[in-house]
Amino acid sequence: DGGITQSPKYLFRKEGQNVTLSCEQNLNHDAMYWYRQDPGQGLRLIYYSQIVNDFQKGDIAEGYSVSREKKESFPLTVTSAQKNPTAFYLCASSDWTNTEAFFGQGTRLTVV
Amino acid sequence: QKEVEQDPGPLSVPEGAIVSLNCTYSNSAFQYFMWYRQYSRKGPELLMYTYSSGNKEDGRFTAQVDKSSKYISLFIRDSQPSDSATYLCAMGPGNTPLVFGKGTRLSVIA
Repeated sequence: DGGITQSPKYLFRKEGQNVTLSCEQNLNHDAMYWYRQDPGQGLRLIYYSQIVNDFQKGDIAEGYSVSREKKESFPLTVTSAQKNPTAFYLCASSDWTNTEAFFGQGTRLTVV
Repeated sequence: QKEVEQDPGPLSVPEGAIVSLNCTYSNSAFQYFMWYRQYSRKGPELLMYTYSSGNKEDGRFTAQVDKSSKYISLFIRDSQPSDSATYLCAMGPGNTPLVFGKGTRLSVIA
């Protein structure tokens, strides 16, 4: 079954901690993306990667970091520098044309 | 001016109505246009994908692109309660990540 798997579905973080969100795809897509979704804000791009070992900042990269060591995997770390991390995080992938993007089911992160 | 504008709604219609959802955009380089449907607490799913101007139909859904007016639409015929969701438009030039609208929340009342 091809698709994008995000884990965990729910994540709770204490203030000052770093947490890592997992994203894996078996669609053989070159490009992968991380978006943040807040009520009334739509989808905002955090980071994207067009190819292994390369990634670019999106519109709201501050307080986040990523790596792309394998084509299938694009983990996102939410660092303690992110001032307001509580949100719904979505991972997506597409082929090299950056057109049809397919999404995972999301991770809801809550700071407690 | 934001690159993509989408009325957030909410939009409430009776079952069986025709629904019209719209987005406007400012970047004339956009060539690829998509509509996504997102149920509450789920990831968006791709509904329709169109390239350049024109219409595309898939069952009860029709996507329309007017590049001269920088305006795209999604029509839903014979709307059902199961169509209740947030609909996101997305678009891009084809070599950079898609730009998304903020989404329109639709409720179809039985």
